Amino acid sequence: ETGVTQTPRHLVMGMTNKKSLKCEQHLGHNAMYWYKQSAKKPLELMFVYSLEERVENNSVPSRFSPECPNSSHLFLHLHTLQPEDSALYLCASSPGGRGVSTDTQYFGPGTRLTVL
Amino acid sequence: GQSLEQPSEVTAVEGAIVQINCTYQTSGFYGLSWYQQHDGGAPTFLSYNGLDGLEETGRFSSFLSRSDSYGYLLLQELQMKDSASYFCAVRDLNNFNKFYFGSGTKLNVKP
Repeated sequence: ETGVTQTPRHLVMGMTNKKSLKCEQHLGHNAMYWYKQSAKKPLELMFVYSLEERVENNSVPSRFSPECPNSSHLFLHLHTLQPEDSALYLCASSPGGRGVSTDTQYFGPGTRLTVL
Repeated sequence: GQSLEQPSEVTAVEGAIVQINCTYQTSGFYGLSWYQQHDGGAPTFLSYNGLDGLEETGRFSSFLSRSDSYGYLLLQELQMKDSASYFCAVRDLNNFNKFYFGSGTKLNVKP
């Protein structure tokens, strides 16, 4: 148990559906992240929020839309996805800010997304 | 940008010692981290090297040499439960919001 939860754990959706992924962290961290994990590839950073402000959008298509209503919750809204978007989507949090002590990230269990 | 290379798969037997290497090309980073991920699970933090040298945490040790652009994770007294994927990662010195991960090494521990 890392203190970061994600729901749902599994999601199957059609290309025309709209769905949302939810992440919640109970660690009092200031920064939250969305990653995409595909087989045999490095984790790809998608979005970063620091103190509820989006500070990084790593060239992610607009069919992925993040939302951070407060420092404990992070959403990823999905619409008109493509089959190649099928992957494990991981949420993470970290204390945030600069410095050696803030390098550690705490990951949720992920949402396994399948787009038909 | 940042690029981290790891072997894709390593196999070892219970009780043995295994070393997982990570070579990198970066424009600057704070330190090298290691994460473990079991199938179906979340990546969990294992070890961190901010400075060159060896860091030891129980059966796991990690090493960094910035002059050689190289680091490794050393697992001793291997157990079946160590079968997992292991990732090295860095935080970008020029953009501290960005983390970069290697593609991971799948460790298979056999009886």
